[in-house]
Amino acid sequence: ETGVTQSPTHLIKTRGQQVTLRCSSQSGHNTVSWYQQALGQGPQFIFQYYREEENGRGNFPPRFSGLQFPNYSSELNVNALELDDSALYLCASSWGGEKLFFGSGTQLSVL
Amino acid sequence: QKEVEQDPGPLSVPEGAIVSLNCTYSNSAFQYFMWYRQYSRKGPELLMYTYSSGNKEDGRFTAQVDKSSKYISLFIRDSQPSDSATYLCAMNTVGTSYGKLTFGQGTILTVHP
Repeated sequence: ETGVTQSPTHLIKTRGQQVTLRCSSQSGHNTVSWYQQALGQGPQFIFQYYREEENGRGNFPPRFSGLQFPNYSSELNVNALELDDSALYLCASSWGGEKLFFGSGTQLSVL
Repeated sequence: QKEVEQDPGPLSVPEGAIVSLNCTYSNSAFQYFMWYRQYSRKGPELLMYTYSSGNKEDGRFTAQVDKSSKYISLFIRDSQPSDSATYLCAMNTVGTSYGKLTFGQGTILTVHP
């Protein structure tokens, strides 16, 4: 068990809606990263937060946004949902290093 | 062309077989190399982490890195049904966001008794 917890585990939304996904980092970890994993593909980097600031972003539009809180927990927000946003969203935490520890993810379905 | 290409496609082997999984990459700036295992409906779990070219062994797993050929491999000896999962290679560059890994598309491995 990695200690990274995500909620909810499953979510169904309709196109155009907004969604918030939550992540609690493993104890002692100060960096959180978010990934999108489409079916049959490897995870794709969305962004990373360190000390409550965005610290690196992948090729995702601004409607993907995030927050990191003082206790190192994090949120991923997606506005104006599109059908292609249907995927497994993974949160990973680390202590400022390359070894990431992933949660089990939130499965988002957009109808 | 994707930065990281992973092969083979879905792989089915008998218990006890030696499994070879491979990734090639195009970005010569990649310096850190990882292998993750992902069970169905779970997040990826770090198996191996290497920095330099050469071999690294951990139990039944051996990770191999050849930077000159931009090629990495994972070998699994004496494969077990519990090894059935998706295996993902991942890599990162020095000086970039540490959490920004570039993954291959994954290889689905099935080990049958």
